[in-house]
Formats: sequence, structure tokens, C-alpha cells
Amino acid sequence: GEDVEQSLFLSVREGDSSVINCTYTDSSSTYLYWYKQEPGAGLQLLTYIFSNMDMKQDQRLTVLLNKKDKHLSLRIADTQTGDSAIYFCAEKGGSYIPTFGRGTSLIVHP
Amino acid sequence: DTGVSQDPRHKITKRGQNVTFRCDPISEHNRLYWYRQTLGQGPEFLTYFQNEAQLEKSRLLSDRFSAERPKGSFSTLEIQRTEQGDSAMYLCASSPGQGNNQPQHFGDGTRLSIL
Repeated sequence: GEDVEQSLFLSVREGDSSVINCTYTDSSSTYLYWYKQEPGAGLQLLTYIFSNMDMKQDQRLTVLLNKKDKHLSLRIADTQTGDSAIYFCAEKGGSYIPTFGRGTSLIVHP
Repeated sequence: DTGVSQDPRHKITKRGQNVTFRCDPISEHNRLYWYRQTLGQGPEFLTYFQNEAQLEKSRLLSDRFSAERPKGSFSTLEIQRTEQGDSAMYLCASSPGQGNNQPQHFGDGTRLSIL
């Protein structure tokens, strides 16, 4: 079955850039998503990219997609303490149901 | 902001009791999804509705679980004879009905604790 892998933790200093990585196995993936989850809350959609794109930029967020290596990354520029949360990568192929990774816990320290 | 709304936010109950959760999707969204999330995991798919039709169910959805969306608007998820292993966050999401490229929008979830 499909699998989405993420590293579990990332620690950065406030003001630095954060890069969260994700790999997936489904070669038919057509849409890839990044969600943010804060404690006690649901998942907030941050951004998404179609598989025919290599990059998408949205303010402080940059998504890079390497379809050949099935690798997706999310770069957060000028990381702030409010960015501390769990970030989920998800991929969707032909079905309506995305597959989620286990999430990367981003810790931003002063 | 009329996002996805879930009720209750928290539910504590004794093992063996029945519980029911409600989800109100974004009003123009035809598709509605239920997920379960346990600590340290991403959301795991449970079931999916297109309007009032339940189109897909995960193997995670045992016979004790039932979901309905009677009028194609709000949905309920019922768990009968709850077990310790049912303790989790239950998330609802919705998306528009056009095409397959629309992302899902999540509610804040119902956290279920089984004593």
C-alpha cells in the first residue's frame, strides 16, 4: 500500500529557515499537501502542489517536489515561535482519500 | 468563518457505553470524511460520504462503528460498546464535490477518552 514517511522532530532557532522533508511511495500520486496541527486542534491546510509542478511559493512557505525521487519538502522562511506545531505531509493519487505521514514536530526556540 | 464544526470537543465515557459525534461540514461541500488520529500518528481514514451516500469504508471501521449523513449535510459517527482502544481524536473533514483536486478542510476534532 501507499506509504508516506517523515522525520519525527525538527528543532530550529527563531528567525532561521525550517525544512521539513517527506517521502512517499505511490508513483500515481497527483496531489501532495502540507497540513499544520497545533495542540488540541484539527489539521489546517497550509499549501498543496500538483505533481506536474516542481515548486510552489506562498509567502514564507516554499514547497519543492522531486517526482523522480518521490520527495516533497516544505521550507518555512524566518521561522517564528508561532510556527511550532506538527506538520503533516499527505499524498493523493486516483482516489479521494489522501494518505498522511506521521507528522514532523517542529520546535522553534529563541 | 463557517469552517468544519465538530461536537462535542471532548467526550469521556466508561468502557461499554455508546457515544455519538456530530460533524457539520462547510455548507457547499458535498464530500465528508471521518478520520481517527492517535498520539504520534497521522489521521487514519475511516469512511467517506458523497452527499448522503457512504461510498467507502476502511477496514478500521469495525461493526461497532456506524456513520450516517442522512440529508447530505451534517454527519454522525456512532461507536457502540466502546473499548479502551477507541480512545483517540476523531476528525471530520469536508471538500467540494468537483473533481479530485480539492483539498480537505478539517474540523478541530472530538477527543474521546475511554475510562
